[in-house]
Amino acid sequence: QVQLQESGPGLVKPSGTLSLTCAVSGGSISSSNWWSWVRQPPGKGLEWIGEIYHSGSTNYNPSLKSRVTISVDKSKNQFSLKLSSVTAADTAVYYCARDKGFGFDPWGQGTLVTVSS
Amino acid sequence: SSELTQDPAVSVALGQTVRITCQGDSLRSYYASWYQQKPGQAPVLVIYGKNNRPSGIPDRFSGSSSGNTASLTITGAQAEDEADYYCNSRDSSGNPQEVVFGGGTKLTVL
Repeated sequence: QVQLQESGPGLVKPSGTLSLTCAVSGGSISSSNWWSWVRQPPGKGLEWIGEIYHSGSTNYNPSLKSRVTISVDKSKNQFSLKLSSVTAADTAVYYCARDKGFGFDPWGQGTLVTVSS
Repeated sequence: SSELTQDPAVSVALGQTVRITCQGDSLRSYYASWYQQKPGQAPVLVIYGKNNRPSGIPDRFSGSSSGNTASLTITGAQAEDEADYYCNSRDSSGNPQEVVFGGGTKLTVL
């Protein structure tokens, strides 16, 4: 059974870069799935950030595209998110999830990232 | 990019049937997926495709679609179904590789 686990700093300074990693266990990141990042600001809804395939192909939310980089490390069976020039508006719970082509399943437990000085 | 619109809040009496809807142009091309999210927890996929339930999801959850509207129906709502529900789909407005989420519906079971 595939499981996902996010990790990374819980506090990032304004104008800095948010960096998170999602470790995949119980399955291979090289399987025929896309791997996504989704975020949820406190008390608000879900926002898709972007996705990556094991080949390295990516798709990003147009509203975040200029600041987002998603990469994959097949040797470690994990994928990563970098979001640059962060502001308080980027404070959110960040989730990683597997896109099976017909829905996101499973999801990681989520990690809260706060942007503050 | 496309948008998916959901009612912010819906309520249902215990044991009754409730329908949660999701509207958007992308739903004319793609099926919606539905997620249940309880406070402090990650979302869980409950319906995908035409009307499919992942393993472990009770059969009181069902999905349907017509035109630009997708619906999630809970037949015989239980107290544990009180949660936020989100729909999502691929975006058909331009780049089909984008993903969009609805704003979410808070379901209260009375």
